[in-house]
Amino acid sequence: DTEVTQTPKHLVMGMTNKKSLKCEQHMGHRAMYWYKQKAKKPPELMFVYSYEKLSINESVPSRFSPECPNSSLLNLHLHALQPEDSALYLCASSRTPPRGGGASEQFFGPGTRLTVL
Amino acid sequence: KNQVEQSPQSLIILEGKNCTLQCNYTVSPFSNLRWYKQDTGRGPVSLTIMTFSENTKSNGRYTATLDADTKQSSLHITASQLSDSASYICVVSGDSGAGSYQLTFGKGTKLSVIP
Repeated sequence: DTEVTQTPKHLVMGMTNKKSLKCEQHMGHRAMYWYKQKAKKPPELMFVYSYEKLSINESVPSRFSPECPNSSLLNLHLHALQPEDSALYLCASSRTPPRGGGASEQFFGPGTRLTVL
Repeated sequence: KNQVEQSPQSLIILEGKNCTLQCNYTVSPFSNLRWYKQDTGRGPVSLTIMTFSENTKSNGRYTATLDADTKQSSLHITASQLSDSASYICVVSGDSGAGSYQLTFGKGTKLSVIP
């Protein structure tokens, strides 16, 4: 299995809802990432997990809460989102964490298209 | 400030023609450079990844070049197909030492291949 899967593909939620995005990989990768991508913009890093521990939080609002239950799974819990949070949310994984040199390629999932009403 | 600039912003070519996309970067120190293809509404898919010592790398009809001295890279697409229509993103990784993360994305080139 050489892919990153994400569910759901599409999600529409109200500002008072609580929902979760899921990401899964079975490549034995030890680093996983969440990105947010607005239309016609490059992906923006949100969180990085290295060996199931949160290593980077790019000043993301607390209404986004990541969770890494094990080395294959990454969740993003959503609560009290705003309409401006509507975007494509991408999960990625890499064999090794992004430290030092080395070409640890990131594999991206297909994304979850989130719409906040 | 680390930056990755891509040109052109958008490009329209006829099916079967070749094209070249450009990427200039100021990321330092440099670790590696990647080209991704992203279809609208989908996740990026890796095309090539090159380190400092690599000048050229091919993946089918895609050929990437890297000039680490001038900090420039190009992605050449040969015999374009309609399915090549997508955004092509240049991403540069910096060697910022243990525990640090440095990945700079370009804004992408939107390629449209028309019949």
